[in-house]
Amino acid sequence: DGGITQSPKYLFRKEGQNVTLSCEQNLNHDAMYWYRQDPGQGLRLIYYSQIVNDFQKGDIAEGYSVSREKKESFPLTVTSAQKNPTAFYLCASRISGSTTNEKLFFGSGTQLSVL
Amino acid sequence: AQTVTQSQPEMSVQEAETVTLSCTYDTSESDYYLFWYKQPPSRQMILVIRQEAYKQQNATENRFSVNFQKAAKSFSLKISDSQLGDAAMYFCAYSGSNTGNQFYFGTGTSLTVIP
Repeated sequence: DGGITQSPKYLFRKEGQNVTLSCEQNLNHDAMYWYRQDPGQGLRLIYYSQIVNDFQKGDIAEGYSVSREKKESFPLTVTSAQKNPTAFYLCASRISGSTTNEKLFFGSGTQLSVL
Repeated sequence: AQTVTQSQPEMSVQEAETVTLSCTYDTSESDYYLFWYKQPPSRQMILVIRQEAYKQQNATENRFSVNFQKAAKSFSLKISDSQLGDAAMYFCAYSGSNTGNQFYFGTGTSLTVIP
């Protein structure tokens, strides 16, 4: 079955440590997104990528980095510069150039907590 | 950036009754899409319904329907014959043709279904 796989489901970060959240999709979608979800604040865009080897900052990119070396993969690194990383992180993808199927497909999320 | 506003942080409904969740948005675009996503306790984001702005007819999906008022920039979700499984967070979202393929989300409405 096609879908988006996020791993791990739960992740703990120590002070000063970088951690990487994995996102893989087999939907053959061009565009991929990372969102952060905090209670009462909805979903906020961290980074997005519309094509391999290209990505753009979203509204809250500070303290995060991404790469898009393969169409299927869009990993997110939470760096030590992100001082408040505790949140639920959602990866999503969409088909580019389709007006009849415009929607986001989501992974099941990663809960990141600080030790 | 576009803004999506959900003014009802929490709503409740009796089982089998009807409830309406409100959403307003701000845009200068004429071509865009609006969505309602459901997030149950599992935290998996599920698309409930989608509306293309160029369509005058309101979208319906079984017990879910929308009231799309383009001039008023309003997009409410009506859930008929509410079921216990409808209990979830509901997010309104916007995607426009000129906004770099970004999706903008509201802060969500938590729906409780009372048996």
